[in-house]
Amino acid sequence: GAVVSQHPSRVICKSGTSVKIECRSLDFQATTMFWYRQFPKQSLMLMATSNEGSKATYEQGVEKDKFLINHASLTLSTLTVTSAHPEDSSFYICSASHLGRGDTGELFFGEGSRLTVL
Amino acid sequence: GQNIDQPTEMTATEGAIVQINCTYQTSGFNGLFWYQQHAGEAPTFLSYNVLDGLEEKGRFSSFLSRSKGYSYLLLKELQMKDSASYLCAVRDSNYQLIWGAGTKLIIKP
Repeated sequence: GAVVSQHPSRVICKSGTSVKIECRSLDFQATTMFWYRQFPKQSLMLMATSNEGSKATYEQGVEKDKFLINHASLTLSTLTVTSAHPEDSSFYICSASHLGRGDTGELFFGEGSRLTVL
Repeated sequence: GQNIDQPTEMTATEGAIVQINCTYQTSGFNGLFWYQQHAGEAPTFLSYNVLDGLEEKGRFSSFLSRSKGYSYLLLKELQMKDSASYLCAVRDSNYQLIWGAGTKLIIKP
């Protein structure tokens, strides 16, 4: 199956700093990538849909000025958590779908990035 | 509103069979997915159903009834490594994925 790589897998930062998380599709071109956040023992929560070359579409309640998403190429999307606070500590996961003839549109997930804000 | 229901937690014995149910109410339907997620890891794809019936893939099978808004994931010959959360997700008419809260499956020896 398709491979999506996410980096870093773990990051610890001080309150008030910014953190950038990268998501790469390694063997296919992903015109659309998705960013999720998952708190302990909860399901995935879609934060935004990232479209190559255009502005991301944010879900209701997600601050777009706080969670900056850039999708500059067909293989790379980045999520920047600006001025992070302890309540932003969570597991952030990116995913992409490979839509082509015969594909189901299944999502391929990156490994996830665990952010801890001190 | 859109809603997906699945049990919060299930327990089964190694070597046995377990069925995890998922019921959904969504705006349209364009496929149902099952994902497995081990603690601290990202989800991995297990199965996809868009037509009614049973899809079998090794030890795992997934069933769909669109008229009933119902699916189940069947796991046979359970192994300890199958201990994980199992997420049901439905793609609606806008091709948005709606996620269930997940079912935590605990396998006991």
